[in-house]
Amino acid sequence: ETGVTQSPTHLIKTRGQQVTLRCSSQSGHNTVSWYQQALGQGPQFIFQYYREEENGRGNFPPRFSGLQFPNYSSELNVNALELDDSALYLCASSLDGNRYNEQFFGPGTRLTVL
Amino acid sequence: DAKTTQPNSMESNEEEPVHLPCNHSTISGTDYIHWYRQLPSQGPEYVIHGLTSNVNNRMASLAIAEDRKSSTLILHRATLRDAAVYYCTLFTTSGTYKYIFGTGTRLKVLA
Repeated sequence: ETGVTQSPTHLIKTRGQQVTLRCSSQSGHNTVSWYQQALGQGPQFIFQYYREEENGRGNFPPRFSGLQFPNYSSELNVNALELDDSALYLCASSLDGNRYNEQFFGPGTRLTVL
Repeated sequence: DAKTTQPNSMESNEEEPVHLPCNHSTISGTDYIHWYRQLPSQGPEYVIHGLTSNVNNRMASLAIAEDRKSSTLILHRATLRDAAVYYCTLFTTSGTYKYIFGTGTRLKVLA
């Protein structure tokens, strides 16, 4: 069974640029959630996709957008990067994306915005 | 939004039980309580979750207060591998699905 994978591992961008992060969910999982984790902080929920539809969103502006594909892999897109967007971005997959099921996290993508 | 509050850090001796508290006084009736832990340079790892009743699994136990405004994660015998940041999390469906992580408790296990 393949776990959750994320790419790239590290990324450096400059302010104003756009970035796309990718996530492959664990086999059999149809739900993906994305999180932003600043240094020394807990993960902050960005949004969740269930069967290609967004069904949950945290307090993040619209320049954070996502996509889930028919194979349940996912992308996180961030436009107009700001310095405060520098963080570890975590992806988690689960079955049916509800309160009953545990999430499986990937190792994260470290984004640095200069 | 509901929120969770945890102590910043705790210490335990190896082989002894550890009780990690969490306050979630603004929890809604349908919110589930999840616990995750995160080792350095890794993504969080699921530990346990529950709604109202106490729960046990191979990793830990979760004790939930009768009014659900607080919970305690119990590691029965701490090992050095349990040293991590433990996050008390709410899965809420008030309005939209959302996971709310706390700031976490850094657990140090002393040999």
